[in-house]
Amino acid sequence: GAVVSQHPSWVICKSGTSVKIECRSLDFQATTMFWYRQFPKQSLMLMATSNEGSKATYEQGVEKDKFLINHASLTLSTLTVTSAHPEDSSFYICSASPGTLSGRASTDTQYFGPGTRLTVL
Amino acid sequence: AQSVSQHNHHVILSEAASLELGCNYSYGGTVNLFWYVQYPGQHLQLLLKYFSGDPLVKGIKGFEAEFIKSKFSFNLRKPSVQWSDTAEYFCAVWMDSSYKLIFGSGTRLLVRP
Repeated sequence: GAVVSQHPSWVICKSGTSVKIECRSLDFQATTMFWYRQFPKQSLMLMATSNEGSKATYEQGVEKDKFLINHASLTLSTLTVTSAHPEDSSFYICSASPGTLSGRASTDTQYFGPGTRLTVL
Repeated sequence: AQSVSQHNHHVILSEAASLELGCNYSYGGTVNLFWYVQYPGQHLQLLLKYFSGDPLVKGIKGFEAEFIKSKFSFNLRKPSVQWSDTAEYFCAVWMDSSYKLIFGSGTRLLVRP
């Protein structure tokens, strides 16, 4: 149980294009989903937290207009990197938490997706 | 600022050696503590977690961790490592003030056969 998938697993795009990454919880409903970015040989850095049906909460320094997050259902969240540039190349990882319905992220365990490798040429 | 520190960035051990990876956090409030493992080419998997109760937590694959509140620590241990334990290990702390998971920088473990 508690499987999270991401699609695509890797993507190469040209500078200036937009890329959409999907994150799905396969066997549970995820009230809260998280998007992380992992640079080579570094730890995961939280980009944003999204609760189903509401606007995402972005971490300081993350451009919300560049990294669009949509959490339209309890099993799907998408991250769209708009007008991607080479500096956006990274490993993007989502996680999902069953959470609570209070609108705030719970303390429950996060289950991680396999990640998406984005390369912007 | 709230932070999580993993002091060992790279650890190399021979099979059957004992393992202890350090994790310290800086926050005086309520925390939930996690250790995740990332095997080469795979995604993060939960090794063990501590929310409350017995501070000695047992996880999968023979791993355990001990929460010492007075030391703000949650060190990971395994009495006898195997080659298959080669991976990167991340300590993560959920702090009730921020409602988010903060990760340590990770420890790369290489176990030599």
